[in-house]
This record gives sequence, C-alpha cells and structure tokens, in this order.
Amino acid sequence: GEDVEQSLFLSVREGDSSVINCTYTDSSSTYLYWYKQEPGAGLQLLTYIFSNMDMKQDQRLTVLLNKKDKHLSLRIADTQTGDSAIYFCAESRPGGYNKLIFGAGTRLAVHP
Amino acid sequence: DAGITQSPRHKVTETGTPVTLRCHQTENHRYMYWYRQDPGHGLRLIHYSYGVKDTDKGEVSDGYSVSRSKTEDFLLTLESATSSQTSVYFCAITGREGSNTEAFFGQGTRLTVV
Repeated sequence: GEDVEQSLFLSVREGDSSVINCTYTDSSSTYLYWYKQEPGAGLQLLTYIFSNMDMKQDQRLTVLLNKKDKHLSLRIADTQTGDSAIYFCAESRPGGYNKLIFGAGTRLAVHP
Repeated sequence: DAGITQSPRHKVTETGTPVTLRCHQTENHRYMYWYRQDPGHGLRLIHYSYGVKDTDKGEVSDGYSVSRSKTEDFLLTLESATSSQTSVYFCAITGREGSNTEAFFGQGTRLTVV
C-alpha cells in the first residue's frame, strides 16, 4: 500500500461531516475507489470516480479528486454511528484486469 | 453481497501443512482475485484469474498457488503454511456486463498459522 497513503484514524461527532483523505502516486490511474469495511466483514464498494472527473456526489457521499496533486477525498455528510468503519482508498491501474492498489485504511470513529 | 462465498471463514493450521481456501461465485464474472489483508498494508493482490485455467501472479504471490477449473470457483493453496501467511484472505470478482470497473468482495477467511 505504499503507493496509496491515508491517515490511519479519524474521530468525528455524530451529525458532523467527515472528510477522509487519500494521496496516490500513479498518474496513469484510471479509477479511484472508496471501500467501507465493517468489523468482521468484507469490503463494500461505496463509490468510485473516473480519473478525468473532479467531483462525484452520491447522497451523503461526495468524492473530490485533485488530479494535479493526486489527492482524493471522501466527505460523508451528517455522519452517523453506522458510518463507523474502516475506509479504504484504492486506485485502479490500466491493464486487462482490475489491478487495485489499496491504501492502509482510515478507521472512522463516530461518537455522540 | 455480490454472490461470493468464501470457505472456510476461519481456519487454524499448523506450520508446514497445506491449506486450500475456496472462493465460489454465482455471478458468472470473468475475473477472480485473491487478496490478503494485513494491518498497515491494506489489501495486497496475491493472484488473479482471467478465465478458466488462466491465472497470473500478483504482488505477493510467493508461497501461494491458485487454480480455476470452473468459472465459478477459484482456489488458493498454501503448499506449506508459514506463520507469515497468517492473515485475512479476501476473494474478489470483476467483469459484470463486460466491465471491470467494479470489484466485489467476499466476506473473508481468517487464517491463523501456528
């Protein structure tokens, strides 16, 4: 995961917005993803953005992509306790298959 | 869940023994993948398959082999398990409607090598 970096931990108050940041190094990345992992579970695809887009919004989720700085962020509006999980950023490299490079994950803790 | 079943979900095995993990999909996706998840590393690709009997190595393939004799099944084998292979293993699939964009993951197998 050295090619994709994330901060390891984020704590927010319920109802506030959460912003999880990610940086990547490969300018040839085609798609960038956000996955959510709850305890003992697999990875759930939250959203993804094509590399030629700047922003994507999906209900409470907003993804911002700064391709020049290779910076990706996930904003969760009105964060709830059910949003507590580990969030993984991943980039997809060109090729015949979907080669995903993951960050180490950001643990989001939501407190009352 | 995207019709992916991993078995077993948990396994404890002794160093030096062979272990096989199974991934079964009901989605008829072309591509299947095995990842391992370790603290501080996210997920790393072990092997992947792009069709029946067609497989290739990922970034951490040493000590692992795979086989795919049917579209729906992808097996990961540790020929002689070592403590460094203690990890959580995830299977993933892509290829829905011919697109590789979305990867769907199984629930994971927690393997402990003692």
